[in-house]
Amino acid sequence: QQPVQSPQAVILREGEDAVINCSSSKALYSVHWYRQKHGEAPVFLMILLKGGEQKGHEKISASFNEKKQQSSLYLTASQLSYSGTYFCGTDRSWGKLQFGAGTQVVVTP
Amino acid sequence: SQTIHQWPATLVQPVGSPLSLECTVEGTSNPNLYWYRQAAGRGLQLLFYSVGIGQISSEVPQNLSASRPQDRQFILSSKKLLLSDSGFYLCAWSVGDRDNQPQHFGDGTRLSIL
Repeated sequence: QQPVQSPQAVILREGEDAVINCSSSKALYSVHWYRQKHGEAPVFLMILLKGGEQKGHEKISASFNEKKQQSSLYLTASQLSYSGTYFCGTDRSWGKLQFGAGTQVVVTP
Repeated sequence: SQTIHQWPATLVQPVGSPLSLECTVEGTSNPNLYWYRQAAGRGLQLLFYSVGIGQISSEVPQNLSASRPQDRQFILSSKKLLLSDSGFYLCAWSVGDRDNQPQHFGDGTRLSIL
């Protein structure tokens, strides 16, 4: 069962914030976040482990709520370079990831 | 530093023809290797996973197969391509023998079946 991402798409102006959610019907072991620019390969952003640990990458951070089986990605003070499609991947075991359908982010000037 | 190479970048093949996509990793030993497929506008689907030479785990039943003849070489093959095999194929690697490692993707192969 692949994780469910929401929203499907979001349009932001530079400097605005956004939250992308990733929910699973199964217990989460860890959650990976990747960003893919159009026509390119996905690029690793961060891994969230059990314990609600919050990690950051530039002004992008994420949290992991084990009880809710959910992870959220926070885009703070968005920049044009943040545009792309964001995928969460839930780790079933030893790197066997199931990816969500993605959230398309468009940041406009 | 580690690098991953995938080729070809683009491929157009007729239905029923064979397929061979190659992926190699440099700068690391005994990596975990992965093949993913991404349909247009969709997420990534894990096809195959390998923790070592000759050790392949298939994640979905399909028309494809994978092999790992050398430690840092991963090959995706098909004997007869179907229209449904079209997509963006991505190879990835992660550090072996350790859990919770990031996956690093190659540039991918865009495969079109005619």
